[in-house]
Amino acid sequence: QQQVKQSPQSLIVQKGGISIINCAYENTAFDYFPWYQQFPGKGPALLIAIRPDVSEKKEGRFTISFNKSAKQFSLHIMDSQPGDSATYFCAATARRGSTLGRLYFGRGTQLTVWP
Amino acid sequence: ETGVTQTPRHLVMGMTNKKSLKCEQHLGHNAMYWYKQSAKKPLELMFVYNFKEQTENNSVPSRFSPECPNSSHLFLHLHTLQPEDSALYLCASSQALTGQYEQYFGPGTRLTVT
Repeated sequence: QQQVKQSPQSLIVQKGGISIINCAYENTAFDYFPWYQQFPGKGPALLIAIRPDVSEKKEGRFTISFNKSAKQFSLHIMDSQPGDSATYFCAATARRGSTLGRLYFGRGTQLTVWP
Repeated sequence: ETGVTQTPRHLVMGMTNKKSLKCEQHLGHNAMYWYKQSAKKPLELMFVYNFKEQTENNSVPSRFSPECPNSSHLFLHLHTLQPEDSALYLCASSQALTGQYEQYFGPGTRLTVT
């Protein structure tokens, strides 16, 4: 069973536009939600993360919005650039659990930003 | 070297070969992980080590054998693999035991089983 569901599978955005990727989860024990960015030939790199005590976190052009009651969180990339073209993964973990730090990943979103 | 390194970056092996993947983290972390990344599938956690002790084996076939001699090094020993084992194998580390759950990934080993 997929613990974290991510959509869309692929996304095409014009340069300067807003890219939005959504994730949903069921496990109410999850309390840490990172996003990873992966370029071809590279491993995933941590982009931004949020804990459920806040509804939004912003770092530069990247913003995570978190809706605890709906068990959903999303990544917004403002002023999208061709260099943002990559695969994005959402993830979740329960900080208290039998395996510390185990991340459950979404299936990924392939983002393409056209110049 | 900084961050998490993996060697080799590419590996082609026959189904009867034995090979090993190596991972080294230079971050002083206390937890290390092996993941398998296949096309059209989510990242699959294979093994977790906290302070050299394996804490999770995610139903991985015995043809994959992990080894963690110390908190900085992690190996994945491979033998009699199947073509469906072809994938990108990623190593990651974190400071999970002290409450820092950010995982840092290496560049991966692209494995092709022929």
